[in-house]
Amino acid sequence: DTGVSQDPRHKITKRGQNVTFRCDPISEHNRLYWYRQTLGQGPEFLTYFQNEAQLEKSRLLSDRFSAERPKGSFSTLEIQRTEQGDSAMYLCASSRSDSMGQPQHFGDGTRLSIL
Amino acid sequence: GQSLEQPSEVTAVEGAIVQINCTYQTSGFYGLSWYQQHDGGAPTFLSYNGLDGLEETGRFSSFLSRSDSYGYLLLQELQMKDSASYFCAVNTNAGKSTFGDGTTLTVKP
Repeated sequence: DTGVSQDPRHKITKRGQNVTFRCDPISEHNRLYWYRQTLGQGPEFLTYFQNEAQLEKSRLLSDRFSAERPKGSFSTLEIQRTEQGDSAMYLCASSRSDSMGQPQHFGDGTRLSIL
Repeated sequence: GQSLEQPSEVTAVEGAIVQINCTYQTSGFYGLSWYQQHDGGAPTFLSYNGLDGLEETGRFSSFLSRSDSYGYLLLQELQMKDSASYFCAVNTNAGKSTFGDGTTLTVKP
């Protein structure tokens, strides 16, 4: 069990640029989640996948945010035309799918800073 | 939609017992989870309640009352290393998880 891996750990970019983050879940986990967290807040749900199927997503992902998990293993989160308000920690988590109560294992996150 | 309420801050001394409450409003409720997050770290899973009652895991216990839309996390024999943020999270039967804004626990000597 190597844990959930996220890349990069930090990303600094100018407003208006596109960014893409990668998440590699724990290998036997077929659920994968993306969250966004800002200081003093809890993780904000963005989307989740079961295998390669995106089953639930927040309204955020209908605009500049998109996520994929093409082969049911790693996932990418893309933000297009970044805005200053996108500055946050982006967290990925994975879990087994035996039930909805399975613990989610989080990666260390990608910290995005928009200049 | 979903909403959760938990206290923003709690302070206690080493060796004491502290209870962090969580009330929620949601549709499609499946269960309530608790996570711990140290400054600069990732959230780590502590406990889960799918049914009413108490779940005990070492020094930590969690309780759920579905009829009251209420749960709590109980931390016993507090240690300095327990200083962290604690989040309750509602799991729905659609697979979505909604987290509260967290309770910052400060343990003093």
